[in-house]
Amino acid sequence: AQKVTQAQTEISVVEKEDVTLDCVYETRDTTYYLFWYKQPPSGELVFLIRRNSFDEQNEISGRYSWNFQKSTSSFNFTITASQVVDSAVYFCALSEAAYTGTASKLTFGTGTRLQVTL
Amino acid sequence: ETGVTQSPTHLIKTRGQQVTLRCSSQSGHNTVSWYQQALGQGPQFIFQYYREEENGRGNFPPRFSGLQFPNYSSELNVNALELDDSALYLCASSVYGDQETQYFGPGTRLLVL
Repeated sequence: AQKVTQAQTEISVVEKEDVTLDCVYETRDTTYYLFWYKQPPSGELVFLIRRNSFDEQNEISGRYSWNFQKSTSSFNFTITASQVVDSAVYFCALSEAAYTGTASKLTFGTGTRLQVTL
Repeated sequence: ETGVTQSPTHLIKTRGQQVTLRCSSQSGHNTVSWYQQALGQGPQFIFQYYREEENGRGNFPPRFSGLQFPNYSSELNVNALELDDSALYLCASSVYGDQETQYFGPGTRLLVL
């Protein structure tokens, strides 16, 4: 069975600090996909990134960067120069490759609440 | 491009009642997935609908059921509500295929008293 662990329940930082959110996953599949979503207080999950298991290249998008390490089953997310608007709950999710006729469901971690203060 | 919409935004029911939640998928998407998110937890997969049929189900009892309509919108029905059904119900739409990204709506907050 697949599992996602986000050991950090809550992180508090001061604006402009860098912060890394950890994600460790378990899966038996060799082909799978990893996601990060942001959930602001409004409740809607906002998609941030999707990576497949064959692409271990790190990715940078503005102040956001992701480090995927298959050897340690980790997919960590770093926010550089954090801002108050980054305050939210962040979820890491895993989806195993779906076969024809089966659902590609997401398995989520329990989330990390990030609080950025002035 | 219209995103995923859900209605109602909030709902209060009493134990034993039935509830119907609605979801309109994002333009161009043909698959709808439903998730339940209890307070302080990550979302849990309930089921997915494609071509108006259930296309996979998580660990939820049969009193959780759904529908998908020809325009790809969907309903989630929960019968015989229990207190533990109180949660945020999230709908996600996607294009059917291998691991297509799921885009979520704002959710419906259900409180069962």
